[in-house]
Amino acid sequence: DAMVIQNPRYQVTQFGKPVTLSCSQTLNHNVMYWYQQKSSQAPKLLFHYYDKDFNNEADTPDNFQSRRPNTSFCFLDIRSPGLGDAAMYLCATSRGRTPRTATDGYTFGSGTRLTVV
Amino acid sequence: KQEVTQIPAALSVPEGENLVLNCSFTDSAIYNLQWFRQDPGKGLTSLLLIQSSQREQTSGRLNASLDKSSGRSTLYIAASQPGDSATYLCAVRSRVGGGANSKLTFGKGITLSVRP
Repeated sequence: DAMVIQNPRYQVTQFGKPVTLSCSQTLNHNVMYWYQQKSSQAPKLLFHYYDKDFNNEADTPDNFQSRRPNTSFCFLDIRSPGLGDAAMYLCATSRGRTPRTATDGYTFGSGTRLTVV
Repeated sequence: KQEVTQIPAALSVPEGENLVLNCSFTDSAIYNLQWFRQDPGKGLTSLLLIQSSQREQTSGRLNASLDKSSGRSTLYIAASQPGDSATYLCAVRSRVGGGANSKLTFGKGITLSVRP
């Protein structure tokens, strides 16, 4: 089945130690997103790639970076994780920025829960 | 700036009851609205997507309606089951700035508990 896969499911990292989260997709969607979701909060968009074009949200901290080496893969790099960065990180994909059908719409991975110790 | 509100934050109902989850948004100039389900500690599963030109979408026991002019959407769940227990999030896709960019804005979700 076509899907969005995030690895790992759970990640524990030390305060200040760089960490990378990965996302892969078999849907051949051209847009990939990274969201941060803290407990009982709405998912917050960090950035997205439209094909190879990187689009950063204005309020995303510089501590967060992303790479998309090809259509299928996208990485979230946190350069110096702080305690406040502990959250669920969700990767999503879509065909175009304004998908018209549920099939082309936002498909989310299972998320990576990041713990900072 | 688009804001999406879902009230109440939590809801508990007995099994078999029909229920309605509400979602409101401040900017009616949207491209589409999507309802998601999130199980504890998991990612989001898309349930229904309604285009701005549509009034409703149905999938099985779920029916989502959209009233764009009033900035409201509802998710109707018929004959609720314990397996429906989850958090339901509403999200709207709306334009950002004056160009072609758009953004998906989420509500905080409604945590539903269906009691056996």
